Amino acid sequence: EPEVTQTPSHQVTQMGQEVILRCVPISNHLYFYWYRQILGQKVEFLVSFYNNEISEKSEIFDDQFSVERPDGSNFTLKIRSTKLEDSAMYFCASSREEVEQYFGPGTRLTVT
Amino acid sequence: ELKVEQNPLFLSMQEGKNYTIYCNYSTTSDRLYWYRQDPGKSLESLFVLLSNGAVKQEGRLMASLDTKARLSTLHITAAVHDLSATYFCAVVLGNRDDKIIFGKGTRLHILP
Repeated sequence: EPEVTQTPSHQVTQMGQEVILRCVPISNHLYFYWYRQILGQKVEFLVSFYNNEISEKSEIFDDQFSVERPDGSNFTLKIRSTKLEDSAMYFCASSREEVEQYFGPGTRLTVT
Repeated sequence: ELKVEQNPLFLSMQEGKNYTIYCNYSTTSDRLYWYRQDPGKSLESLFVLLSNGAVKQEGRLMASLDTKARLSTLHITAAVHDLSATYFCAVVLGNRDDKIIFGKGTRLHILP
């Protein structure tokens, strides 16, 4: 069964560094999303992406964040200058239509 | 702003018992999801509820949606230890999946 994959599974970075989190959505899906989950807390929507542009973003998704679909298969989340409070689990999700998102296994980002 | 409230946030119950998790939301929405998350794992889609009165069942879990009351329930019948996990409801803002707001989750612990 096709699934969403994410790399790396764990990323450790120093405050102020740039990180890129990678996702490979399910191949025939058209809608892509990023969420984050701070340890033990709820899942928070970051951004949705369709037709090569952002369709919706949350207040969390400020100028430090950007998304890209560079090559038709990968979907990336970049954080330009990481802060301690960016430490969280980041989940990518995709959907074929605008219903039922499938989540990847997540990338644990630790900012020190 | 859409708010999603789940209760209880933590539930410890004996195997074989029945219980219900509630998900209330604050603004109009006709699309709601239930997810399961095991510790350190990703989100697994359980139910997609797309209309008022929708009821879906899978094994010992049954979910329903009342859009007029802005309430969804996840009912557990004759709980078994394998159902121990955190359960999240997530409500779609508007009529597209562009922005989904999650509840805080209900941590369910079923005692053998």
